[in-house]
Amino acid sequence: QVQLKESGPGLVAPSQSLSITCTVSGFSLTSYGVHWVRQPPGKGLEWLGVIWAGGSTNYNSALMSRLSISKDNSKSQVFLKMNSLQTDDTAMYYCARDPLYYGNYWYFDVWGAGTTVTVSS
Amino acid sequence: DIQMTQSSSSFSVSLGDRVTITCKASEDIYNRLAWYQQKPGNAPRLLISGATSLETGVPSRFSGSGSGKDYTLSITSLQTEDVATYYCQQYWSTPPTFGGGTKLEIK
Repeated sequence: QVQLKESGPGLVAPSQSLSITCTVSGFSLTSYGVHWVRQPPGKGLEWLGVIWAGGSTNYNSALMSRLSISKDNSKSQVFLKMNSLQTDDTAMYYCARDPLYYGNYWYFDVWGAGTTVTVSS
Repeated sequence: DIQMTQSSSSFSVSLGDRVTITCKASEDIYNRLAWYQQKPGNAPRLLISGATSLETGVPSRFSGSGSGKDYTLSITSLQTEDVATYYCQQYWSTPPTFGGGTKLEIK
């Protein structure tokens, strides 16, 4: 059964950095890409970035300077790091799998439940 | 970036109604369109990819259609469990972008 689960700090102070871990099961990170998507409270969905099976990454250009995605295949974990957080970064952060084996479709077939991040002092 | 517009942010429907949700891209996306369902407090769920391909386990009352810039998600005979917000997403070009969502409410 394919599953993804996010874990994060919950609360982050303004100007600080955010680190979230996505732990996957039921598939290998060496075969599938994993995306990050966020959703501010009561608002729509925004794609953040992706790490592909081979380790290459793509980022939303609006966030590129603050965002980093990496992974540890042996631990089945993907990491999102975002710097210089502001209040408008408050959102639910999701990781989601790209459905294409060893490729890239750029949509999302299985999602984690998400982790809430609140930026506040 | 390609802009995705869902013309209705919400509308009220009755159980048993046929519902059509529309999504328009700012340019041709060559059927590279996915539809997601999101219930309150839950993550989005993939319903349809490739504009028309129903994902495994999705009830057959859901269907997708369209081409070029214009796409629709249809639900025949709306059920209680279909009350949710629906998002379209294009994956023809990067970055992948979402519509603003259409929330279905029961009259």
